[in-house]
Amino acid sequence: DSGVTQTPKHLITATGQRVTLRCSPRSGDLSVYWYQQSLDQGLQFLIQYYNGEERAKGNILERFSAQQFPDLHSELNLSSLELGDSALYFCASNFDSGTDTQYFGPGTRLTVL
Amino acid sequence: AQSVTQPDIHITVSEGASLELRCNYSYGATPYLFWYVQSPGQGLQLLLKYFSGDTLVQGIKGFEAEFKRSQSSFNLRKPSVHWSDAAEYFCAVGGNEKLTFGTGTRLTIIP
Repeated sequence: DSGVTQTPKHLITATGQRVTLRCSPRSGDLSVYWYQQSLDQGLQFLIQYYNGEERAKGNILERFSAQQFPDLHSELNLSSLELGDSALYFCASNFDSGTDTQYFGPGTRLTVL
Repeated sequence: AQSVTQPDIHITVSEGASLELRCNYSYGATPYLFWYVQSPGQGLQLLLKYFSGDTLVQGIKGFEAEFKRSQSSFNLRKPSVHWSDAAEYFCAVGGNEKLTFGTGTRLTIIP
């Protein structure tokens, strides 16, 4: 158990819909990272937040957005969903920078029908 | 741009045999290198990491990896695999705000 929690574990929805994935980092961690794992693209970095502020952006679509709240939990919002958005979405956390070990949550499996 | 190559998509080894999983990286500065393992339906668990110092790094579950700057490699090894080692293994390079992962190597163990 990494200490990072993600909800829900599974999510099934339809094309065009909007969903929100939630992540709670390890106690004391300030940074949250979101990754997408799909068969086509492998594991890809989406976005990082540090202490409530966006710090780095990767291959995140404009239909996707994220935020980190004052209690440091983070949400990833996916809108206008397409079939190709079906994937496993991981959250990771660490205390500060990308050089620290990132601890991964169990993931949320999103299925878009 | 940073990148990671794991040339072996799938490896099958017998239980008790030795294992080496290959990883080559491209990074403009001193790399921070990681090996993660993902069991079916699970998240990613860190096996070991290299930041600096001794180029032979020991990790959990009896794994080790050797950083070779001249070959831009960070291969993962285990002297004797167990059936429970069957999983997908990912090499990653960091050093800035994100991790860049390889495509993974799926390890199958046969009795």
